[in-house]
Amino acid sequence: KQEVTQIPAALSVPEGENLVLNCSFTDSAIYNLQWFRQDPGKGLTSLLLIQSSQREQTSGRLNASLDKSSGRSTLYIAASQPGDSATYLCAPLPISGGGADGLTFGKGTHLIIQP
Amino acid sequence: GAVVSQHPSRVICKSGTSVKIECRSLDFQATTMFWYRQFPKQSLMLMATSNEGSKATYEQGVEKDKFLINHASLTLSTLTVTSAHPEDSSFYICSARQGWEERETQYFGPGTRLLVL
Repeated sequence: KQEVTQIPAALSVPEGENLVLNCSFTDSAIYNLQWFRQDPGKGLTSLLLIQSSQREQTSGRLNASLDKSSGRSTLYIAASQPGDSATYLCAPLPISGGGADGLTFGKGTHLIIQP
Repeated sequence: GAVVSQHPSRVICKSGTSVKIECRSLDFQATTMFWYRQFPKQSLMLMATSNEGSKATYEQGVEKDKFLINHASLTLSTLTVTSAHPEDSSFYICSARQGWEERETQYFGPGTRLLVL
């Protein structure tokens, strides 16, 4: 069964810093991996999706990389802003369920950007 | 991106009553939707997979007779919490699946906060 670990669990930094959020997963047989953000009391917003054949994806100040063989993904946030404050979650989509499985989430990284 | 809605966003009910939560994919059809539950300061846990036109598949430990799922159309899945008790108080989030294999994306609703008194 897939297990997802995210490091660090929490991060508080002043705005403007470049950040690195790490995600590791135990089953590398995946179709893709999604990164989400969750604001307090809200649902999940999809940030990036990296297909298993890709190495990285970029969207604005966000860049995500994927090393499927080692079971790792990294989310880079450039020039962080207070609006980036949220919990960030990664979720690999397993091949075992034919893509019809729900996602497995870790506990996420709780990010606070200080103005 | 695609939009998924949930209704209601918040509900308070008395112990022993039933509560229905709706999940709709607004601009795409979803043969498969998922229901998750999130307790305070915990991550999302998959409860069940909702399949249009067939029975839902429940995760281990989730009571199918307590959490009734109906996926009546390609854009609507409902979760009914029957005979709710205070321990059922939680944040319930649905997602809808779009795409296939590498391109499959799950879009999440805004969640429903249930408080059982």
